[in-house]
Amino acid sequence: GNSVTQMEGPVTLSEEAFLTINCTYTATGYPSLFWYVQYPGEGLQLLLKATKADDKGSNKGFEATYRKETTSFHLEKGSVQVSDSAVYFCALSQTSGTYKYIFGTGTRLKVLA
Amino acid sequence: EAGVAQSPRYKIIEKRQSVAFWCNPISGHATLYWYQQILGQGPKLLIQFQNNGVVDDSQLPKDRFSAERLKGVDSTLKIQPAKLEDSAVYLCASSLDRAGANVLTFGAGSRLTVL
Repeated sequence: GNSVTQMEGPVTLSEEAFLTINCTYTATGYPSLFWYVQYPGEGLQLLLKATKADDKGSNKGFEATYRKETTSFHLEKGSVQVSDSAVYFCALSQTSGTYKYIFGTGTRLKVLA
Repeated sequence: EAGVAQSPRYKIIEKRQSVAFWCNPISGHATLYWYQQILGQGPKLLIQFQNNGVVDDSQLPKDRFSAERLKGVDSTLKIQPAKLEDSAVYLCASSLDRAGANVLTFGAGSRLTVL
């Protein structure tokens, strides 16, 4: 079945460091891919998305590129801030059938000043 | 626009008791999801509704969990009887439709502690 695999956390970085959080997926067909973020004490919210191969999603300095050949959707940011500390979830949505929405286990990011 | 409303925010019960959670999605959103998020894990889909019909409930423990979405708007999720392992945050989310590129809008969640 469909699944999403994320790198384990926590990831601890100093402010202004480069961030990569790896995400790979298994899916039939051509899913849409998403990154959601959960800030402390808040609900999940969309960070960015990509709907087809080679699409790049971007928001708030974060980027991720839909790589069909490697079934990956890695999240990157060139310079993290303390305010980026949160849990990041990779997700996919089937584009046929039941359109099931599946989440990874989440990666906690801690950014130190 | 108003967000996804959930209640109660917190609930503590003894094992074998029952509990119900309520969700009011964003107006006009046809698709409604209930997820279970155990501490340190990602959200696990329990049930997905399209209007008032069930699209997917393959991971819903049907011997103890039930859910309904009357009139295609509000939804309730019930657990009876509760087990210790049901301690989790129950997240409700909605989307405009179930098409693949749709974005989910989540509520704040209902945190359940089973003692």
